[in-house]
Amino acid sequence: DTGVSQDPRHKITKRGQNVTFRCDPISEHNRLYWYRQTLGQGPEFLTYFQNEAQLEKSRLLSDRFSAERPKGSFSTLEIQRTEQGDSAMYLCASSSPRRGYTFGSGTRLTVV
Amino acid sequence: KQEVTQIPAALSVPEGENLVLNCSFTDSAIYNLQWFRQDPGKGLTSLLLIQSSQREQTSGRLNASLDKSSGRSTLYIAASQPGDSATYLCAVVGNTPLVFGKGTRLSVIA
Repeated sequence: DTGVSQDPRHKITKRGQNVTFRCDPISEHNRLYWYRQTLGQGPEFLTYFQNEAQLEKSRLLSDRFSAERPKGSFSTLEIQRTEQGDSAMYLCASSSPRRGYTFGSGTRLTVV
Repeated sequence: KQEVTQIPAALSVPEGENLVLNCSFTDSAIYNLQWFRQDPGKGLTSLLLIQSSQREQTSGRLNASLDKSSGRSTLYIAASQPGDSATYLCAVVGNTPLVFGKGTRLSVIA
């Protein structure tokens, strides 16, 4: 059990550029989640997968955001045409009934 | 829609004190409740998971209770230490994925 891994840890990008983040969940967990957290707030749900199927998307996930989980393993979150309001910590988690949710260290995105 | 509230928003205590953090949720139809710790700029570390059928869980100096019918949970920290300084987040799972409160920012002063 190596925990949930996220890459990169930090990303600085210019407004209008596209960015992609990766998440590797705990291998035996079939559910994977993406959350976004801004300063002083709790994490907010974006989307989740059960295996390769994307089962739910939040209203926070605008058309510029897309997430995939090919083959039910790792997941990617892409943000197109980034805006300054996209600056946040993007957190990935996987879950099991016995252990609950396990989060990665997050990717901090800064849009300048 | 599930809403989670944490009180207080911030707390500062001297080292050695026992303290209680409060969490309330609006929809009592939950599967479980989880407490997390978050250090500045870092990810979330799970502290305790309470299943809906349980009333409390303990880990070291931490004890979390759950009263599902009243929509409340408390996190008790005994003999606080400066290393306990962090933000503590409460979150619940029901018919939706994990819903978080805004957290309680704890400072333990040596």
